[in-house]
Amino acid sequence: DTEVTQTPKHLVMGMTNKKSLKCEQHMGHRAMYWYKQKAKKPPELMFVYSYEKLSINESVPSRFSPECPNSSLLNLHLHALQPEDSALYLCASSRGGLVILGNEQFFGPGTRLTVL
Amino acid sequence: KQEVTQIPAALSVPEGENLVLNCSFTDSAIYNLQWFRQDPGKGLTSLLLIQSSQREQTSGRLNASLDKSSGRSTLYIAASQPGDSATYLCAVIISNFGNEKLTFGTGTRLTIIP
Repeated sequence: DTEVTQTPKHLVMGMTNKKSLKCEQHMGHRAMYWYKQKAKKPPELMFVYSYEKLSINESVPSRFSPECPNSSLLNLHLHALQPEDSALYLCASSRGGLVILGNEQFFGPGTRLTVL
Repeated sequence: KQEVTQIPAALSVPEGENLVLNCSFTDSAIYNLQWFRQDPGKGLTSLLLIQSSQREQTSGRLNASLDKSSGRSTLYIAASQPGDSATYLCAVIISNFGNEKLTFGTGTRLTIIP
């Protein structure tokens, strides 16, 4: 099973709402990632979790709050977002551990977020 | 700062032709390079991963090469089909204090004309 699942597929929220994005994998991977992708642009890294601990935060605003409850699950909590935060949010996972082993990243289908 | 560029930004070729997509990066201190395809509005599908010690990888009609010293990678697609139409992204993988970071190229939008 090389599948990363994400829910919901689409999300529309107001600037005062609180919502969460969910990502799940059952490949035994120990590294998980959040990316943000604007239209016609490549994905940009937001957060990296390694062995359930936040290891990289690419200076993401605090209105985005990641959480890794266990090795299979990754959440992204959203609060007080702005319209410019509308984008495709992608989750990915990789085996983790020694980089030199060649850790291929597998991506989920993404959540299309619209902030009104 | 690592910069990854893909040229051309868009490419249209007739079905059946062989084609090459290019990827260049500015910092050769990479660990691996990965090629993806992305269909409109969808997630990324991994095509090939080339480790830094390798020079090429093959999967079916796809062949990817890596030349770290010149900062270049190519993706060769043989006997193109309409189903190959998608945006192709290369991404270099670097290590940041033991954690992996993926930096994506700007992408090539490929259209195969039936």
